[in-house]
Amino acid sequence: ELKVEQNPLFLSMQEGKNYTIYCNYSTTSDRLYWYRQDPGKSLESLFVLLSNGAVKQEGRLMASLDTKARLSTLHITAAVHDLSATYFCAGSPYNNNDMRFGAGTRLTVKP
Amino acid sequence: KAGVTQTPRYLIKTRGQQVTLSCSPISGHRSVSWYQQTPGQGLQFLFEYFSETQRNKGNFPGRFSGRQFSNSRSEMNVSTLELGDSALYLCASSLAAGYGYTFGSGTRLTVV
Repeated sequence: ELKVEQNPLFLSMQEGKNYTIYCNYSTTSDRLYWYRQDPGKSLESLFVLLSNGAVKQEGRLMASLDTKARLSTLHITAAVHDLSATYFCAGSPYNNNDMRFGAGTRLTVKP
Repeated sequence: KAGVTQTPRYLIKTRGQQVTLSCSPISGHRSVSWYQQTPGQGLQFLFEYFSETQRNKGNFPGRFSGRQFSNSRSEMNVSTLELGDSALYLCASSLAAGYGYTFGSGTRLTVV
């Protein structure tokens, strides 16, 4: 069974600063996903990473995947308050939708 | 286009009762998965259905069951409710493996 570990679990940032959230997984995972969850809300899909070396960017967020290291990163550039949320990574094998989540990183961006 | 619809949004049940939650996926999506989210355990995978067949199952007791209908709508049932079953239950649908999921708003179940 795929195990997914995120760190840090809690992250408090100043606006304008950069930081990276790390996601390690235990076995071969051909698909890596990043989701955002606001308090009391459901999960919003941010990125789907499908292959080694994949890099995707949306606004101040950039995600990458290194399947050899079994590592994905979510990089935050020049954080703003609106990015405050919990971010989850999840992985699944190539051939099915058995998607397993990490514990989440609760990000707080302070002025 | 319409997203993933879960009903009801909130539910309060008594220990020992059973409950059925409903999920309507995005039109054309044939894969539906269910997750339980709690503060202590995080997001835990319950099961996945594709074309009316359960393809994957998480580590939950047999009290948790599900099914999928020919129109891809899915239901999950929890029998003999326990206090620990209080959680946000999320349904998600996907076009196919590897496309990622779109999540519904969830059903918040409280067992008293």
